[in-house]
Amino acid sequence: DAGVIQSPRHEVTEMGQEVTLRCKPISGHNSLFWYRQTMMRGLELLIYFNNNVPIDDSGMPEDRFSAKMPNASFSTLKIQPSEPRDSAVYFCASSLQGAITEAFFGQGTRLTVV
Amino acid sequence: ELKVEQNPLFLSMQEGKNYTIYCNYSTTSDRLYWYRQDPGKSLESLFVLLSNGAVKQEGRLMASLDTKARLSTLHITAAVHDLSATYFCAVDISHNDMRFGAGTRLTVKP
Repeated sequence: DAGVIQSPRHEVTEMGQEVTLRCKPISGHNSLFWYRQTMMRGLELLIYFNNNVPIDDSGMPEDRFSAKMPNASFSTLKIQPSEPRDSAVYFCASSLQGAITEAFFGQGTRLTVV
Repeated sequence: ELKVEQNPLFLSMQEGKNYTIYCNYSTTSDRLYWYRQDPGKSLESLFVLLSNGAVKQEGRLMASLDTKARLSTLHITAAVHDLSATYFCAVDISHNDMRFGAGTRLTVKP
């Protein structure tokens, strides 16, 4: 398996633009997580899906952020409109709920909003 | 509010020395993870600790879990430069919903 695949790896955008981050979880995994990592705030859980259903989105910072998981093999995190303070590395992770195993992380998307 | 506290946050060690990183958490959980992150890279799983008293070892790293004390430790034995990285503990609060500590940035010097 290729692991969790995120795209793009790097994104530079202007303030006010819409940004969409993409994630393909490991095949067979039924839980998917979006995290944001910054120097100031560390690793923060944004939203968590189980069987394509959002379970906990309490970490989504504002209404500008939205996430979807239309099927078991794809998820998106959208920021509209983007702001400079959204600059961070966004990680997607997946796991198999109920299994005695950890979550596996993608390589991350480094977002810079100028 | 759930708190996951690691200490120290920064650690500079000489090669060959031993040291322990601590992870305290404030909620009931019997599952804890340790991850490693190299600069500019993703998080790599090191250990999964599943019960009170669990101990796991891989090379120069050994992790343990005391669920009663809500404490996990990551012990480094005879450190080498390749261990330089940031180490995170993460507490599983529900079905792989993990909450991370702030990380311990380890630098091993010759």
